[in-house]
Amino acid sequence: AQRVTQPEKLLSVFKGAPVELKCNYSYSGSPELFWYVQYSRQRLQLLLRHISRESIKGFTADLNKGETSFHLKKPFAQEEDSAMYYCALRSGNTGKLIFGQGTTLQVKP
Amino acid sequence: NAGVTQTPKFQVLKTGQSMTLQCAQDMNHNSMYWYRQDPGMGLRLIYYSASEGTTDKGEVPNGYNVSRLNKREFSLRLESAAPSQTSVYFCASSPHYEQYFGPGTRLTVT
Repeated sequence: AQRVTQPEKLLSVFKGAPVELKCNYSYSGSPELFWYVQYSRQRLQLLLRHISRESIKGFTADLNKGETSFHLKKPFAQEEDSAMYYCALRSGNTGKLIFGQGTTLQVKP
Repeated sequence: NAGVTQTPKFQVLKTGQSMTLQCAQDMNHNSMYWYRQDPGMGLRLIYYSASEGTTDKGEVPNGYNVSRLNKREFSLRLESAAPSQTSVYFCASSPHYEQYFGPGTRLTVT
């Protein structure tokens, strides 16, 4: 079964601390994974795509096929990083996405 | 470019009432999607449309119908609303891999 699991509902850190948002997936083929972010009063938007291997707003995510994980990391959290983060898996050759449950990141001053 | 627009922003329905949520995109994308967002459940796909004239069920289609009126518009209809359909509904469109989301419709069914 195709599934995405984000084990933490809420992650609370202080400004300047490292952040790791966990994502595990279950998929039989070659996975294509994404991180989407929803800032307060803004639309859900794409943050990262694993294939592009970019760093966006200081965030990176590495696909670990052995551990079936795609954790999102940032070395020094900023208050403006506070948001809801969703990990998503592309299903087959369609554009359909399977989303995880979401993790709220709260960065305290 | 307005991107993806949704109407209405908020709606309160009584059990058994019907309504249609409207979605339109001006980016000439082929694919469009309807999701519902519930606390602790993430986003779940209700229906999607890979191209004009085609629609397919997603993970949670029961109680909903959709119409892909043309390339721009993709509507979601609740024929007989139930309290379990209280949720935030998001429409999205996609040219290929990235999905572009609308602002959402907050629906309460009493």
